Amino acid sequence: GQSLEQPSEVTAVEGAIVQINCTYQTSGFYGLSWYQQHDGGAPTFLSYNALDGLEETGRFSSFLSRSDSYGYLLLQELQMKDSASYFCAVKEDDKIIFGKGTRLHILP
Amino acid sequence: GAVVSQHPSWVICKSGTSVKIECRSLDFQATTMFWYRQFPKQSLMLMATSNEGSKATYEQGVEKDKFLINHASLTLSTLTVTSAHPEDSSFYICSARSGRGYEQYFGPGTRLTVT
Repeated sequence: GQSLEQPSEVTAVEGAIVQINCTYQTSGFYGLSWYQQHDGGAPTFLSYNALDGLEETGRFSSFLSRSDSYGYLLLQELQMKDSASYFCAVKEDDKIIFGKGTRLHILP
Repeated sequence: GAVVSQHPSWVICKSGTSVKIECRSLDFQATTMFWYRQFPKQSLMLMATSNEGSKATYEQGVEKDKFLINHASLTLSTLTVTSAHPEDSSFYICSARSGRGYEQYFGPGTRLTVT
Protein backbone atom coordinates (compact mmCIF):
# COMPACT_ATOMS: atom_id res chain seq x y z
CA GLY A 1 0.00 0.00 0.00
CA GLN A 2 0.98 3.61 -0.04
CA SER A 3 0.52 6.65 2.15
CA LEU A 4 1.49 10.28 1.89
CA GLU A 5 1.50 12.69 4.81
CA GLN A 6 1.38 16.45 4.50
CA PRO A 7 0.03 19.17 6.79
CA SER A 8 -3.63 19.92 6.30
CA GLU A 9 -3.22 23.69 6.48
CA VAL A 10 -0.46 26.28 6.42
CA THR A 11 -0.75 30.05 6.85
CA ALA A 12 1.81 32.59 5.67
CA VAL A 13 2.10 36.28 4.94
CA GLU A 14 2.21 37.82 1.48
CA GLY A 15 5.80 38.23 0.33
CA ALA A 16 7.11 35.58 2.71
CA ILE A 17 8.47 32.08 2.11
CA VAL A 18 6.60 28.90 3.00
CA GLN A 19 7.61 25.24 2.94
CA ILE A 20 5.13 22.40 2.61
CA ASN A 21 6.50 19.03 3.67
CA CYS A 22 5.53 15.60 2.43
CA THR A 23 6.56 12.19 3.68
CA TYR A 24 5.62 9.09 1.79
CA GLN A 25 5.51 5.36 2.12
CA THR A 26 5.12 3.33 -1.04
CA SER A 27 5.89 -0.17 -2.22
CA GLY A 28 7.51 1.16 -5.38
CA PHE A 29 8.77 4.68 -6.00
CA TYR A 30 9.55 6.49 -9.22
CA GLY A 31 9.32 10.10 -8.18
CA LEU A 32 7.53 12.81 -6.19
CA SER A 33 5.48 15.49 -7.83
CA TRP A 34 3.54 18.53 -6.67
CA TYR A 35 0.24 19.90 -7.92
CA GLN A 36 -1.63 23.11 -7.22
CA GLN A 37 -5.41 23.27 -7.13
CA HIS A 38 -7.51 26.39 -6.74
CA ASP A 39 -11.05 26.07 -5.43
CA GLY A 40 -13.36 24.67 -8.08
CA GLY A 41 -10.51 24.01 -10.49
CA ALA A 42 -8.51 21.04 -11.65
CA PRO A 43 -5.00 20.27 -10.41
CA THR A 44 -2.13 21.82 -12.30
CA PHE A 45 1.32 20.27 -12.40
CA LEU A 46 4.05 22.20 -10.58
CA SER A 47 7.12 20.01 -10.36
CA TYR A 48 8.56 16.50 -10.39
CA ASN A 49 11.59 15.08 -8.58
CA ALA A 50 12.90 11.67 -9.50
CA LEU A 51 16.37 12.16 -8.01
CA ASP A 52 17.57 13.62 -4.72
CA GLY A 53 18.07 17.34 -4.62
CA LEU A 54 16.42 20.64 -5.30
CA GLU A 55 14.58 21.58 -8.48
CA GLU A 56 13.86 25.25 -8.99
CA THR A 57 11.18 26.71 -11.25
CA GLY A 58 10.72 30.42 -10.75
CA ARG A 59 9.30 31.17 -7.33
CA PHE A 60 8.64 27.49 -6.65
CA SER A 61 11.24 24.89 -5.70
CA SER A 62 10.84 21.24 -4.84
CA PHE A 63 13.18 18.99 -2.91
CA LEU A 64 13.46 15.24 -2.59
CA SER A 65 15.39 12.93 -0.29
CA ARG A 66 14.75 9.35 -1.32
CA SER A 67 16.64 7.91 1.65
CA ASP A 68 14.32 9.82 4.02
CA SER A 69 11.17 9.28 1.92
CA TYR A 70 10.68 13.01 2.25
CA GLY A 71 10.18 15.99 0.06
CA TYR A 72 9.01 19.55 0.23
CA LEU A 73 7.63 22.35 -1.89
CA LEU A 74 9.07 25.79 -1.27
CA LEU A 75 7.14 28.85 -2.35
CA GLN A 76 8.96 32.19 -2.29
CA GLU A 77 7.72 35.76 -2.58
CA LEU A 78 4.21 34.62 -1.80
CA GLN A 79 1.39 36.28 -3.69
CA MET A 80 -2.29 36.25 -2.86
CA LYS A 81 -2.93 34.17 -5.99
CA ASP A 82 -0.87 31.38 -4.42
CA SER A 83 -3.74 30.71 -2.02
CA ALA A 84 -4.72 27.19 -3.03
CA SER A 85 -4.39 23.57 -2.07
CA TYR A 86 -1.10 21.83 -2.79
CA PHE A 87 -0.85 18.08 -3.24
CA CYS A 88 2.22 15.92 -3.21
CA ALA A 89 1.89 12.79 -5.29
CA VAL A 90 3.93 9.70 -5.98
CA LYS A 91 4.10 7.62 -9.10
CA GLU A 92 3.60 4.00 -8.27
CA ASP A 93 3.61 1.54 -11.14
CA ASP A 94 1.31 2.99 -13.76
CA LYS A 95 -0.58 5.49 -11.65
CA ILE A 96 -0.21 8.61 -9.54
CA ILE A 97 -1.37 8.60 -5.92
CA PHE A 98 -2.14 11.94 -4.29
CA GLY A 99 -1.66 13.06 -0.72
CA LYS A 100 -4.54 14.63 1.18
CA GLY A 101 -3.42 18.13 0.29
CA THR A 102 -2.27 21.21 2.17
CA ARG A 103 -4.46 24.26 2.14
CA LEU A 104 -2.29 27.38 1.95
CA HIS A 105 -3.79 30.54 3.40
CA ILE A 106 -2.03 33.80 2.64
CA LEU A 107 -2.52 36.87 4.77
CA PRO A 108 -2.07 40.36 3.33
CA GLY B 1 0.81 22.40 -24.31
CA ALA B 2 -1.35 19.34 -23.91
CA VAL B 3 -5.01 20.13 -23.44
CA VAL B 4 -7.66 17.89 -21.95
CA SER B 5 -11.34 18.81 -22.01
CA GLN B 6 -14.29 17.43 -20.12
CA HIS B 7 -17.96 17.65 -20.92
CA PRO B 8 -20.17 18.61 -19.27
CA SER B 9 -18.52 20.94 -16.79
CA TRP B 10 -21.43 20.49 -14.43
CA VAL B 11 -24.54 18.38 -14.38
CA ILE B 12 -27.56 17.94 -12.13
CA CYS B 13 -29.51 14.72 -12.38
CA LYS B 14 -32.23 12.92 -10.53
CA SER B 15 -31.53 9.94 -8.34
CA GLY B 16 -31.75 6.69 -10.30
CA THR B 17 -30.73 8.12 -13.66
CA SER B 18 -27.41 7.66 -15.46
CA VAL B 19 -24.94 10.35 -16.41
CA LYS B 20 -22.15 10.20 -18.96
CA ILE B 21 -19.03 12.33 -18.67
CA GLU B 22 -16.64 12.72 -21.59
CA CYS B 23 -12.91 13.28 -21.41
CA ARG B 24 -11.02 14.28 -24.55
CA SER B 25 -7.37 14.90 -25.28
CA LEU B 26 -7.44 17.72 -27.81
CA ASP B 27 -3.91 17.88 -29.18
CA PHE B 28 -2.29 14.57 -28.34
CA GLN B 29 -3.04 10.88 -28.31
CA ALA B 30 -3.80 9.62 -24.84
CA THR B 31 -2.81 5.99 -24.51
CA THR B 32 -3.85 6.04 -20.87
CA MET B 33 -6.59 7.98 -19.15
CA PHE B 34 -7.33 8.17 -15.44
CA TRP B 35 -10.55 8.99 -13.64
CA TYR B 36 -10.53 10.61 -10.22
CA ARG B 37 -13.23 11.62 -7.78
CA GLN B 38 -12.82 14.45 -5.32
CA PHE B 39 -15.18 15.28 -2.46
CA PRO B 40 -15.14 18.82 -1.01
CA LYS B 41 -11.90 19.69 0.76
CA GLN B 42 -10.54 16.22 0.17
CA SER B 43 -7.88 14.71 -2.04
CA LEU B 44 -8.22 13.23 -5.48
CA MET B 45 -9.05 9.57 -5.25
CA LEU B 46 -8.13 7.46 -8.24
CA MET B 47 -11.13 5.47 -9.43
CA ALA B 48 -9.79 3.67 -12.46
CA THR B 49 -7.14 3.56 -15.14
CA SER B 50 -8.05 2.91 -18.74
CA ASN B 51 -5.87 2.08 -21.70
CA GLU B 52 -7.19 2.56 -25.20
CA GLY B 53 -8.90 -0.51 -26.50
CA SER B 54 -8.84 -2.51 -23.29
CA LYS B 55 -10.93 -2.82 -20.15
CA ALA B 56 -10.42 -0.34 -17.37
CA THR B 57 -8.60 -1.30 -14.19
CA TYR B 58 -10.60 -0.23 -11.15
CA GLU B 59 -9.18 0.69 -7.76
CA GLN B 60 -10.23 -1.28 -4.73
CA GLY B 61 -13.67 -0.26 -3.51
CA VAL B 62 -14.84 1.24 -6.81
CA GLU B 63 -17.83 -0.58 -8.29
CA LYS B 64 -17.10 -1.30 -11.93
CA ASP B 65 -20.76 -1.97 -12.70
CA LYS B 66 -21.74 1.42 -11.33
CA PHE B 67 -18.94 3.46 -12.89
CA LEU B 68 -18.66 2.32 -16.48
CA ILE B 69 -15.53 3.44 -18.28
CA ASN B 70 -14.99 3.24 -22.01
CA HIS B 71 -11.77 4.25 -23.76
CA ALA B 72 -12.70 3.56 -27.35
CA SER B 73 -10.20 5.85 -29.04
CA LEU B 74 -6.88 7.54 -28.35
CA THR B 75 -8.60 10.85 -27.72
CA LEU B 76 -11.79 9.95 -25.88
CA SER B 77 -12.72 8.23 -22.65
CA THR B 78 -16.15 8.25 -21.06
CA LEU B 79 -17.30 7.66 -17.50
CA THR B 80 -20.95 6.70 -17.01
CA VAL B 81 -22.37 6.88 -13.51
CA THR B 82 -25.26 4.44 -13.55
CA SER B 83 -28.27 4.61 -11.24
CA ALA B 84 -26.85 7.71 -9.58
CA HIS B 85 -27.48 8.36 -5.90
CA PRO B 86 -26.98 11.58 -3.92
CA GLU B 87 -23.79 10.13 -2.41
CA ASP B 88 -22.32 10.02 -5.94
CA SER B 89 -22.41 13.82 -5.99
CA SER B 90 -18.79 14.84 -6.39
CA PHE B 91 -16.19 16.47 -8.59
CA TYR B 92 -15.03 14.02 -11.27
CA ILE B 93 -11.70 14.75 -12.92
CA CYS B 94 -10.02 12.91 -15.75
CA SER B 95 -6.39 13.03 -16.73
CA ALA B 96 -4.56 11.77 -19.78
CA ARG B 97 -1.07 10.58 -20.49
CA SER B 98 0.71 9.98 -23.74
CA GLY B 99 2.86 6.88 -23.96
CA ARG B 100 4.90 6.00 -20.89
CA GLY B 101 5.71 9.57 -19.98
CA TYR B 102 5.36 10.70 -16.40
CA GLU B 103 3.21 13.79 -16.70
CA GLN B 104 -0.55 13.58 -16.63
CA TYR B 105 -2.65 16.37 -18.06
CA PHE B 106 -5.82 17.06 -16.15
CA GLY B 107 -9.20 18.01 -17.50
CA PRO B 108 -11.12 20.88 -15.88
CA GLY B 109 -13.42 18.51 -14.01
CA THR B 110 -17.14 17.81 -13.98
CA ARG B 111 -19.26 18.66 -10.97
CA LEU B 112 -22.05 16.14 -10.55
CA THR B 113 -25.01 16.82 -8.29
CA VAL B 114 -27.56 14.08 -7.79
CA THR B 115 -30.88 15.22 -6.32
